[in-house]
Amino acid sequence: AQKVTQAQTEISVVEKEDVTLDCVYETRDTTYYLFWYKQPPSGELVFLIRRNSFDEQNEISGRYSWNFQKSTSSFNFTITASQVVDSAVYFCALTPGPRSSASKIIFGSGTRLSIRP
Amino acid sequence: NAGVTQTPKFQVLKTGQSMTLQCAQDMNHEYMSWYRQDPGMGLRLIHYSVGAGITDQGEVPNGYNVSRSTTEDFPLRLLSAAPSQTSVYFCASSYLLGGLNTEAFFGQGTRLTVV
Repeated sequence: AQKVTQAQTEISVVEKEDVTLDCVYETRDTTYYLFWYKQPPSGELVFLIRRNSFDEQNEISGRYSWNFQKSTSSFNFTITASQVVDSAVYFCALTPGPRSSASKIIFGSGTRLSIRP
Repeated sequence: NAGVTQTPKFQVLKTGQSMTLQCAQDMNHEYMSWYRQDPGMGLRLIHYSVGAGITDQGEVPNGYNVSRSTTEDFPLRLLSAAPSQTSVYFCASSYLLGGLNTEAFFGQGTRLTVV
């Protein structure tokens, strides 16, 4: 069975603090894909990053960084020096490996991040 | 390009009514899917399609039908609306790049209320 768990329902921090959003996944596929999406208050879903299961390299993009660890089945997301504009709901997601499953996205329940000025 | 277009953006239905949520994409994506978003539950897969003429059920398919007669369109039909179907619905499309899954492109969502 495929599953994505985001144990942190809500996080609130003061602006400029660093914050890490946790994501733990379950899958029996040897090939799979992990994603992070952002949903700002306006409601649209914004793609942030994709990671293939065979690429454990961590990634940094500006203030955002992602830590992928297959040994612990985790794909955590860190925002450095948070800003009010980072306030949103963040979803971790997984798609199984087979091509026929490319449209089957399994989402975590989301983490609502509030950045206080 | 318009990307993924969903219509309508808002809809109120009475219990027992039927309706179709429209989804169209102009990116020639092979894969399309429908999700519903409920508070505290993330997005859950309703139905998905891997190409024209091919559809399959997701996690929560009951009460919904889909068809994929063209690559561009993937409508979602509510057969007999129930209050439990009050939700925000998202349509998504994606493709393979070098044989690897890409990210999904989402529509703006449809907020449906069933009274």
